[in-house]
Amino acid sequence: EVELVESGGGLVKSGGSLTLSCVASGFTFRDYPMNWVRQAPGKGLEWVASLSSSGSYIYYAESLKGRFTISRDNAKDSLFLQMNSLRAEDTAVYYCARVSAFGYSSSWYAPLDHWGQGTLVTVSS
Amino acid sequence: QSALTQPASVSGSPGQSITISCTGTSSDVGGYKYVSWYQQYTGKAPKLIIYDVTYRPSGISNRFSGSKSGNTASLTISGLQAEDEAHYYCSSYTSRSTSRLFGGGTKLTVL
Repeated sequence: EVELVESGGGLVKSGGSLTLSCVASGFTFRDYPMNWVRQAPGKGLEWVASLSSSGSYIYYAESLKGRFTISRDNAKDSLFLQMNSLRAEDTAVYYCARVSAFGYSSSWYAPLDHWGQGTLVTVSS
Repeated sequence: QSALTQPASVSGSPGQSITISCTGTSSDVGGYKYVSWYQQYTGKAPKLIIYDVTYRPSGISNRFSGSKSGNTASLTISGLQAEDEAHYYCSSYTSRSTSRLFGGGTKLTVL
């Protein structure tokens, strides 16, 4: 069974940093692109970042302006999101999600077929 | 404001059918077959229920169906059940940027 478990969320002051982790199990992690998606309280889903299976191709939402860094350790079946210069508007539940990339010529075409339970990041001003 | 437009809320009675729309542009919904839908219960993670406009992942009830016409995709839930009460989000590939678009979400209330 596919499982994604996030951790690392918590309360941080504005301007601070935090690193989120997502540990995968139940599938061959190194074969799949991964995404981070966030959801502010009472709001909709917002795509944050995407990382290819090898880690070679990385994309971010423009609104993040270089403050976030996505990475992965395929040897440890883990995905990470380093967040710097945090702002109140970064307060959200952060989900890691697997991209169902097989059968697609581009991972951008593929849906997010499995999601973690999310980890809450609260940035206090 | 989300890139894809969904109604904020829809409602229906048990046994009825409802449709949730998702409107984009020719650069996303209208131009490609890569529209997906996610169901999210309050406090839970989203769950994929439709992909590539019309396909259901294994284990998803056939009461859920997807379609597309022009720049608008639609999710139809037939035979509404109380357990269908949730938020629903559409998502689409876009040719305008390397990003993943989501709709603003629709809250479905089963009366």
